Amino acid sequence: DAGVTQSPTHLIKTRGQHVTLRCSPISGHKSVSWYQQVLGQGPQFIFQYYEKEERGRGNFPDRFSARQFPNYSSELNVNALLLGDSALYLCASSINTYSGNTIYFGEGSWLTVV
Amino acid sequence: AQRVTQPEKLLSVFKGAPVELKCNYSYSGSPELFWYVQYSRQRLQLLLRHISRESIKGFTADLNKGETSFHLKKPFAQEEDSAMYYCALSEPIQGAQKLVFGQGTRLTINP
Repeated sequence: DAGVTQSPTHLIKTRGQHVTLRCSPISGHKSVSWYQQVLGQGPQFIFQYYEKEERGRGNFPDRFSARQFPNYSSELNVNALLLGDSALYLCASSINTYSGNTIYFGEGSWLTVV
Repeated sequence: AQRVTQPEKLLSVFKGAPVELKCNYSYSGSPELFWYVQYSRQRLQLLLRHISRESIKGFTADLNKGETSFHLKKPFAQEEDSAMYYCALSEPIQGAQKLVFGQGTRLTINP
């Protein structure tokens, strides 16, 4: 069974541009979460989607948005990119939103903003 | 705010020596705690969770609510244990499951 898959693996954008990152969860998982990992730090929660609705958001501005599709895949969108948005963006999936669930991570998308 | 602290960014031990990676947390309720590991060029993966009280790859972690700690231990380190280790706490937020991660500890096992 395939794990969480993300695309693209690497990309470079210019300040002010917009970016879309994609994620496919593990088959049977209905919840997708997005995390940002800046170099030297642990991942930080951006938000979680379950049954196509945003269920929780971390301390990130409205420039960060996402959606979840009927097949439970997800897209993360970031508008008006800043240099500080350069990071590894991790997608994670779980069966639902129960706090004791195991959360499975993808390999991430490396975003560099220049 | 809920917080996870891993005081050591780097930890280096010799093969066969005991290993302890420290993790302290602050949480107002009953915490769900996890250890995740990232081996070189691999994705972040779950190592163990306190609710299971299991031993994975020889590692164990005991939740100490009095000291608010969840240290990861292994009695005899192996070279293949070299990796980045993250302690994480699960925090319910607005109906979602949010993992709060520590900064991570890079463990190097010397031959």
